[in-house]
Amino acid sequence: GIQVEQSPPDLILQEGANSTLRCNFSDSVNNLQWFHQNPWGQLINLFYIPSGTKQNGRLSATTVATERYSLLYISSSQTTDSGVYFCAVVTADRGSTLGRLYFGRGTQLTVWP
Amino acid sequence: EAQVTQNPRYLITVTGKKLTVTCSQNMNHEYMSWYRQDPGLGLRQIYYSMNVEVTDKGDVPEGYKVSRKEKRNFPLILESPSPNQTSLYFCASSLAPGGYNEQFFGPGTRLTVL
Repeated sequence: GIQVEQSPPDLILQEGANSTLRCNFSDSVNNLQWFHQNPWGQLINLFYIPSGTKQNGRLSATTVATERYSLLYISSSQTTDSGVYFCAVVTADRGSTLGRLYFGRGTQLTVWP
Repeated sequence: EAQVTQNPRYLITVTGKKLTVTCSQNMNHEYMSWYRQDPGLGLRQIYYSMNVEVTDKGDVPEGYKVSRKEKRNFPLILESPSPNQTSLYFCASSLAPGGYNEQFFGPGTRLTVL
């Protein structure tokens, strides 16, 4: 099946710093989403971004589908940004389970005050 | 407010005692699915449903049942829970299957089987 790799696995920042999280995938995709899992375990939709660039406040994301990667940018990080960030894709492979999201292992972000 | 809801949010039970985790969405979505999240294994799909009365297995269906009698509801049933089903469970929905639509996740149900 499709491989989804996220880097770095862990990231520690001081409040106010900027960061870039990367997601590489091994095959063509129909769908790519970024999620934030907060310390209580909730998965929060950040972006639905199968291609192009989107921005939402201090967060932005870019997906280059032809080169099979996506980037999540966090600017002026805050302690509330802490948690795990997941990239998830739906493969374009018609033989795969329809609509199944394949998740990366996540990036554990810790922001210190 | 558009949302996916799950109940209960937390559950501690004993081996063999049947339980049901409910999932409901108010967005008229056709596609619904269940995932479980385990440390080191990430999120894995259990079952999915493309519409009413249409369900199919995901990657880890053993020990679980689902039903889709109404479009908005997709309960997950554990007929005889075992400790290896201790996990964090998520329900998700999207407008249509095929992966061309954003998927929305419920808040999660943390299940412990003793």
